[in-house]
Amino acid sequence: AQKVTQAQTEISVVEKEDVTLDCVYETRDTTYYLFWYKQPPSGELVFLIRRNSFDEQNEISGRYSWNFQKSTSSFNFTITASQVVDSAVYFCALNGEGSNYKLTFGKGTLLTVNP
Amino acid sequence: SQTIHQWPATLVQPVGSPLSLECTVEGTSNPNLYWYRQAAGRGLQLLFYSVGIGQISSEVPQNLSASRPQDRQFILSSKKLLLSDSGFYLCAWSAGASGNTIYFGEGSWLTVV
Repeated sequence: AQKVTQAQTEISVVEKEDVTLDCVYETRDTTYYLFWYKQPPSGELVFLIRRNSFDEQNEISGRYSWNFQKSTSSFNFTITASQVVDSAVYFCALNGEGSNYKLTFGKGTLLTVNP
Repeated sequence: SQTIHQWPATLVQPVGSPLSLECTVEGTSNPNLYWYRQAAGRGLQLLFYSVGIGQISSEVPQNLSASRPQDRQFILSSKKLLLSDSGFYLCAWSAGASGNTIYFGEGSWLTVV
């Protein structure tokens, strides 16, 4: 069975602060994929990143960066110099070779960036 | 490029009334299609998925059903809504095969009164 844990239910920061959203996963699959999605107040889930289990390189995209560590089963997401527009619920998700198309989501972290 | 649309965006329905939410995908062929529900508390639950026309898999027993009459059309239905059916419904698609990114539509807010 797959499981994704986002221990941080809510985080509140002041604009320009850096913030890291934690994600810990469990799977028995050898091949699996990890994702992050952003859900702004409008409700739509916006895809941010996909990472496969064989690629542990960290990735940076503008102010966003992701740290994938198989040794600790973690896929953490950092926003540098946060902005008010970053306020949203962020979901970490997992899809494994044995999951038969099922994407398992964490419960999400509500990030509030205050001006 | 691929796009996904679902409608209506918002609806308020009385208990016992029928439901039909529609979703279409453009710019791709033979996608995998999904219906998710997000109830209060933010958790996302997979309701149905489909790998082809007429092929529907249900993840949880419930008051809802899904159909895929065309390759890029996915419909979520109910004959009689319950209060517990209220929530945010998201249609999604992927290009087939486990591991591919799943892309979501704008969502539909359903309130059953």
